[in-house]
Formats: sequence, C-alpha cells, structure tokens
Amino acid sequence: DTGVSQDPRHKITKRGQNVTFRCDPISEHNRLYWYRQTLGQGPEFLTYFQNEAQLEKSRLLSDRFSAERPKGSFSTLEIQRTEQGDSAMYLCASSEWTGGSPLHFGNGTRLTVT
Amino acid sequence: LAKTTQPISMDSYEGQEVNITCSHNNIATNDYITWYQQFPSQGPRFIIQGYKTKVTNEVASLFIPADRKSSTLSLPRVSLSDTAVYYCLVAQKYNNNDMRFGAGTRLTVKP
Repeated sequence: DTGVSQDPRHKITKRGQNVTFRCDPISEHNRLYWYRQTLGQGPEFLTYFQNEAQLEKSRLLSDRFSAERPKGSFSTLEIQRTEQGDSAMYLCASSEWTGGSPLHFGNGTRLTVT
Repeated sequence: LAKTTQPISMDSYEGQEVNITCSHNNIATNDYITWYQQFPSQGPRFIIQGYKTKVTNEVASLFIPADRKSSTLSLPRVSLSDTAVYYCLVAQKYNNNDMRFGAGTRLTVKP
C-alpha cells in the first residue's frame, strides 16, 4: 500500500489560466473522491467516481471544473479560467467499493491563484 | 444524509484523556459513524469507525449509545502530537458515495 499520491503538491497560477491536478489512488480501490478545502473549513465534496464512472457531482463543481478517471485508475481535475476564489487545497481520496469503507486521502494540491 | 454537530474547539493537557462528542440526531438505520484526524497541510486520516456500542483500536475508542444519536471519540493520554482537527462523519452503511465533512473540532494539547 503506497497510499494516495497527488501531483503537484503546490501550484501557483495567474487568474484566467487553466490548471490540471493528478491523483493516483491506492491500486485496488474502486472509488475515488475529490474534495476542496479552504483555511479553517472542513473538506467540501466535489465529485466521486466508481471505477471510470463519475457518479455524483456537487453544485460546487461549476462548469469550469471537470474531472476524469480514464480506465478507472488515476484521475485528473482540471480548472479552466481560474479565479482567485479557486485558491484552496484540493484533496483526493480513494476507498474500496464496499459501503462503509474508510477514505484514504492524499496530502493534496495547494492552489494559489494570483 | 445525517447532519453532524461537533464543538468547534477543545483544549487539553498532555497525559489527559480527551472525549470529543458528535451529535447526529437524524442518523438512519443504515448509517455508520467514522472519525478522521487532520494535521495542517495533510489530508485527513482515518481513526476509527463504528455502528453501535463500543469500538476500540490502538489509537482511540468510539462510544455509541443505543439510540445512536451521538457518538464520542475518546483519545487516551493525549500528547502534543495529537493537536489536530477531528472530523465526525455519518454515512450510509451500504453506499458511501456521499461523504461530506463538517467543520470539525480543533483539539489543542498543551504541555
């Protein structure tokens, strides 16, 4: 178990630019989640995959956000035309398919939009 | 999804036992309770999970009364390294596709 890895750890971008983050889940985990966390707040749910199928998206996930999980392995989260309000920690988590399985989180990608 | 309520913050001293209570009045029959710990600049880390009564592992204990409307995370003999934010989550036992966190409890352990 090598854990969930996220890349990059930090990203600084200018307003209006596009950014893409990558998440590599634990290999045997079918479920993959994306969260966003701002300072002093708990993680906010963004979206969830079961294998390659994106099963749920939060209202927080505007049309500037898109997530993919090709072949049910790694996942990418893209933010187009970034805004300063997008500055946050973006967390990825994975879990086994069985209900009740705990989430295993990566250490996140910290995005700063200037 | 059952909404959870936790104290915003708690202070303790090294060596003391700390109990953090989470209220989940609308918990459903198929819901289970999970606690996570988060340090700054890290993702949350699973601590313990339970459905009813008491669960204990090497890190903590989880007490769940018969009505399951609340749960208490117990950390024995805390140290400075236990300073973190602790989150209580309630989610469906057979469908954890909607795992939503609250604001958590910020525990500060003092020397």
